[in-house]
Formats: sequence, C-alpha cells, structure tokens
Amino acid sequence: RKEVEQDPGPFNVPEGATVAFNCTYSNSASQSFFWYRQDCRKEPKLLMSVYSSGNEDGRFTAQLNRASQYISLLIRDSKLSDSATYLCVVNMGGYNKLIFGAGTRLAVHP
Amino acid sequence: DAEITQSPRHKIIETGRQVTLACHQTWNHNNMFWYRQDLGHGLRLIHYSYGVHDTNKGEVSDGYSVSRSNTEDLPLTLESAASSQTSVYFCASSGSTGVNTEAFFGQGTRLTVV
Repeated sequence: RKEVEQDPGPFNVPEGATVAFNCTYSNSASQSFFWYRQDCRKEPKLLMSVYSSGNEDGRFTAQLNRASQYISLLIRDSKLSDSATYLCVVNMGGYNKLIFGAGTRLAVHP
Repeated sequence: DAEITQSPRHKIIETGRQVTLACHQTWNHNNMFWYRQDLGHGLRLIHYSYGVHDTNKGEVSDGYSVSRSNTEDLPLTLESAASSQTSVYFCASSGSTGVNTEAFFGQGTRLTVV
C-alpha cells in the first residue's frame, strides 16, 4: 500500500464549479500535511498547509481527519488558472521528510 | 533573493555511463532532498540529507548516491545509468525548525538514458 494515496483524476470542471480532492495516508504517526500545486513541467510549489482545525485561504479550504487518516482540499469558484496537478504531501516526522502522493489533475474549462 | 538551482536542466546519456546532477541552494537550509517524478508515480524520494555529512536513503535509492560536503550542495550521482532511470529529477530544500516548514524545489532536471 502506498504511504499517500490520491485519486489521479483528471477532474474536468467548468469555471465557477466547486471541486474537492481527497487524500489518505497510511502512517498514523505523520505529523504535518500540505497541499502542493504543480503546473505542467514545472516544480511543485506550496499551496497551503493543512491544520488540525481546518484552514481556509481565499477560495481554498483544507481539512484533516486524523482518525480516518484523511486530508481534503476544496476549491470554490474554480478559475481557468486553477488547472494544475494537486499533490497531497505528508511529513513523516522528524526533519521534514516529505512524502508525496501521485497527484490529482484538475482541468477547468470555460 | 535566496533560491535553489539545478543543473543541467536537460541531459542525455548512454546506458552504463556515470552522471552527476547538481543542486545548489542559497537558503542556508539544513534539509535537502532528491526526488524523481514519473508518470503515474508522483514524486518518489531518492535520498535526503539533514545536514553536512549526513545522508539517508529514500524509497528508490538503488543506483543513486549523494554526498553532502557543505550546506549549499547535494549532488546526485548515477553510478551506471540505466534506461529505468530516465525521469525528471527534482531537488528540494527546507529549514529544520518546525514541522510545517515549506520545502522549495529546483526547476528540475530532465534526464534521458539511451
């Protein structure tokens, strides 16, 4: 079983739609969680950290369920510029050893 | 501005040859990482380092080695390149304080082994 699992998609949604991505992780000792965004052929960049109480950054909301070992990302009012691959990332503890999921591809169309 | 750079950006080498991919960061970060990215697998950790003279194996370390002689650099060496090592390689660095520390990535090296 992979340490971090995501639905690869693609998710094809129209502009203005709300879309949600899910991610599960296998190691219950994982300490921190992130969503990174990766544009085609570019390097990954941090989108947002995921906090235990849930957190929001504009149109993006991230939630963590430690009991179910589950992380989610909600994007409201999708824009064309949101088209990218979204990577679920888990810190396995210690000194920021980051383990990546395979990514979920989002395509927003007019 | 601080940054992390990889070189070369593209490389084609023959099977069996040795090649070293460079990674240099000016963030003064203790943690440095090498990942490879292949379709359907996402980023997989090859090697990582928590400081000078420290190196650790990741999940796909066979056929790769690293050394950390200073804070700024973590070169990745393929001792005898194989076609299965054709991939995009990303180097990353992060600070060592706090579990929510952001990792910064280089722009990637596209390696083709023929």
